Amino acid sequence: DGGITQSPKYLFRKEGQNVTLSCEQNLNHDAMYWYRQDPGQGLRLIYYSQIVNDFQKGDIAEGYSVSREKKESFPLTVTSAQKNPTAFYLCASSIEGGPWTGELFFGEGSRLTVL
Amino acid sequence: SQQGEEDPQALSIQEGENATMNCSYKTSINNLQWYRQNSGRGLVHLILIRSNEREKHSGRLRVTLDTSKKSSSLLITASRAADTASYFCATRNTDKLIFGTGTRLQVFP
Repeated sequence: DGGITQSPKYLFRKEGQNVTLSCEQNLNHDAMYWYRQDPGQGLRLIYYSQIVNDFQKGDIAEGYSVSREKKESFPLTVTSAQKNPTAFYLCASSIEGGPWTGELFFGEGSRLTVL
Repeated sequence: SQQGEEDPQALSIQEGENATMNCSYKTSINNLQWYRQNSGRGLVHLILIRSNEREKHSGRLRVTLDTSKKSSSLLITASRAADTASYFCATRNTDKLIFGTGTRLQVFP
């Protein structure tokens, strides 16, 4: 089945540690996105990538890093510089990026808790 | 930056009733999309309406768009308990899709 797989589903981290969230898609989509969702809130864009080896900062990129070495993979690292990392993280992809892009396909999310 | 704002924040109705959610946004858009999210899950795309369209239907869903008022509405007709979820509008004008804060819909059997 085609889709987006995020792992792990739940992750606990001690303060000061970096953690990496995995996002893999087999939809052959060019564009991939990372969003953060806090309780009762909408989604805020962290980073996005429209093509391999290229990515752009979203609205809340500070304390996060990404890479896009392969079309199907877009891992997100939450660094120790992120002051309030406890949140629900959602990865998404679309056929292509840009202003006329249509729907996004989402993974099931990763819930990160900082202890 | 939050582009869209949904109204109401929460809505409770009985099965069989219609549910209407509204979305207002701030800047010009290329398209507006509605998504559904069940608790603790990822978002699922429901419908997309382009800036040159005024109304679109998909099954029990009806979406309208008024670009002069920078607003959209989502109507779910003959609601079911399984429609219980959060609903988000999202607008695209450049490379990014910006989501609103969502409406939490509760449908009681």
